[in-house]
Amino acid sequence: QQQVKQSPQSLIVQKGGISIINCAYENTAFDYFPWYQQFPGKGPALLIAIRPDVSEKKEGRFTISFNKSAKQFSLHIMDSQPGDSATYFCAARGNFNKFYFGSGTKLNVKP
Amino acid sequence: DGGITQSPKYLFRKEGQNVTLSCEQNLNHDAMYWYRQDPGQGLRLIYYSQIVNDFQKGDIAEGYSVSREKKESFPLTVTSAQKNPTAFYLCASRTWTSGGADNEQFFGPGTRLTVL
Repeated sequence: QQQVKQSPQSLIVQKGGISIINCAYENTAFDYFPWYQQFPGKGPALLIAIRPDVSEKKEGRFTISFNKSAKQFSLHIMDSQPGDSATYFCAARGNFNKFYFGSGTKLNVKP
Repeated sequence: DGGITQSPKYLFRKEGQNVTLSCEQNLNHDAMYWYRQDPGQGLRLIYYSQIVNDFQKGDIAEGYSVSREKKESFPLTVTSAQKNPTAFYLCASRTWTSGGADNEQFFGPGTRLTVL
């Protein structure tokens, strides 16, 4: 079964709006939660990451919110721009440094 | 120019053929990974290697094989036993540090494999 569940599958946001992508997990052994950005035909690139002992991490327009008790974490993209249009993946690291990925969210920012 | 290279970018395979996807990194990373990406399913781990001459199966290893004879190279062979190999294949690497350090995983540009 999928270890990390991601929603929504696709998202359309107007330029300047806030994009929010959510992920949930069950395995409490996960100890590191990165978000990746992928453009068509390219490999994913690390965007931002968080440890479960932190409730929020912000880097520029990108913020991760982490709720350990609910086993949920989310990516917020403030002031979304057309250049942010890409597929976003959440992930979680488990034992032996194995990473488990969500199914991806395709973001389209309308100009 | 440091990074991960994958070749070829596109690969076509006839049914029943084995094909090998190349992954090379010059980042001096210890760990290397192979993922398969299908639409709507995210990335699924095929094999990973934490050190030269050692590798472990991931979640979907059936029909695939790997080798890790050199630190910088981690080729993936898609065998005829893999019934549905058409997918986008991604190689990744990261520094291996015990204790769970947050070392970034770097991805290559991918190989798109199509079975004819």
